Amino acid sequence: SYELTQPLSVSVALGQTARITCGGNNIAAKNVHWYQQKPGQAPVLVMYRDANRPSGIPERFSGSISGNTATLTISRAQAGDEADYYCQVWDSSTAYLLFGGGTKLTVL
Amino acid sequence: EVRLVESGGGLVQPGGSLRLSCSASGFTFSSTAMAWVRQAPGKGLEWVSSLSHNSASAFYAESVRGRFTISRDNSENTLHLQMNSLRAEDTASYYCAKYRHGVLWFRESLDWWGQGTLVTVSS
Repeated sequence: SYELTQPLSVSVALGQTARITCGGNNIAAKNVHWYQQKPGQAPVLVMYRDANRPSGIPERFSGSISGNTATLTISRAQAGDEADYYCQVWDSSTAYLLFGGGTKLTVL
Repeated sequence: EVRLVESGGGLVQPGGSLRLSCSASGFTFSSTAMAWVRQAPGKGLEWVSSLSHNSASAFYAESVRGRFTISRDNSENTLHLQMNSLRAEDTASYYCAKYRHGVLWFRESLDWWGQGTLVTVSS
């Protein structure tokens, strides 16, 4: 079965760039979406179809994809970016919607 | 403004049943695919089920197939999740979410989420 692999945690200094990866076999062939979830809150879509920002999401957030890895990049990281981040795809072979295990972003 | 409000959660004994509802507003519900996603305490997101706008296509996670049924009432702008034969491992917050529109709706993102309703399965 298809699996998405995310690092458990990523740390970034305030104002620097954070990169959160999502690995999957030939993931570039799928549409990858990213969600941000802060403690006690519902998830929020921050990137759709690999590299598209929904309205209201800062330009500091960007997405890219190549081969077996999708990446969510957060530039000029702020304290308010601290959250769990999840990648998500649709696996057509099983007809399952899949989430990665989530990455906790800490801004130092 | 898009609003998704879940209800129906609570405490239920193992083997019991519960029906969750999600009341939608602020968008054309009848033309929008919907999904349920759950999150066990302290754990990550787990997809439960998805339903096309016209109920023609429904998909389920392996962990709930045969026990849960997703449905919708487009005249009432409401999504439901009937949960039977509940197990302790079904304990989670259950989120209702709407799909972003697209030709292949099931490949699209979940662009709005409700605040969730907590289901606790315990004796």
